[in-house]
Amino acid sequence: NAGVTQTPKFQVLKTGQSMTLQCAQDMNHNSMYWYRQDPGMGLRLIYYSASEGTTDKGEVPNGYNVSRLNKREFSLRLESAAPSQTSVYFCASSDGHPTNEKLFFGSGTQLSVL
Amino acid sequence: KQEVTQIPAALSVPEGENLVLNCSFTDSAIYNLQWFRQDPGKGLTSLLLIQSSQREQTSGRLNASLDKSSGRSTLYIAASQPGDSATYLCAVRTGNQFYFGTGTSLTVIP
Repeated sequence: NAGVTQTPKFQVLKTGQSMTLQCAQDMNHNSMYWYRQDPGMGLRLIYYSASEGTTDKGEVPNGYNVSRLNKREFSLRLESAAPSQTSVYFCASSDGHPTNEKLFFGSGTQLSVL
Repeated sequence: KQEVTQIPAALSVPEGENLVLNCSFTDSAIYNLQWFRQDPGKGLTSLLLIQSSQREQTSGRLNASLDKSSGRSTLYIAASQPGDSATYLCAVRTGNQFYFGTGTSLTVIP
């Protein structure tokens, strides 16, 4: 069972470069999320998509764009990377009634911006 | 905005000890609370989910409780083992988002 798959696992960028983080889930979930995890700050929501064709900003959306390509795929794009975007990025998906909605995570992308 | 706090940030215990991890949240209007485990360099794995109408959930040596009115949850780990060493995070589902604590890093010493 693949679950949530993220690529790449590691990436080093120079300031100003762009890149896209890919995420795919095979659980037929409606909702997908992008989080960043920084030491001492927990996981913070960047963007989420409650269903195919919709996206919404989370807590820290500045400097990022997303695309919900289809029900399976949700990509995160950094148009002009900055050192402040050095972080570990996680994609997640969920489905079901909010009272029993469980989050499933990918293994993460460690991004360094020099 | 929902704020989730986990104390302590780090905990070290000898093998075999029973332990309790704490999670508190400021807004009691939650749908559910989840406890996750995160190993170094890995993603988060869901351990237990407690619905807002429930008081506790159990899985093996793990027991999670929820007191929604006071904004608190605890994760009880019985007979700890070195393999339990990891970071444990709690998250609450509020509105249309999940809010995470910063985690408790647990080390179980053989």
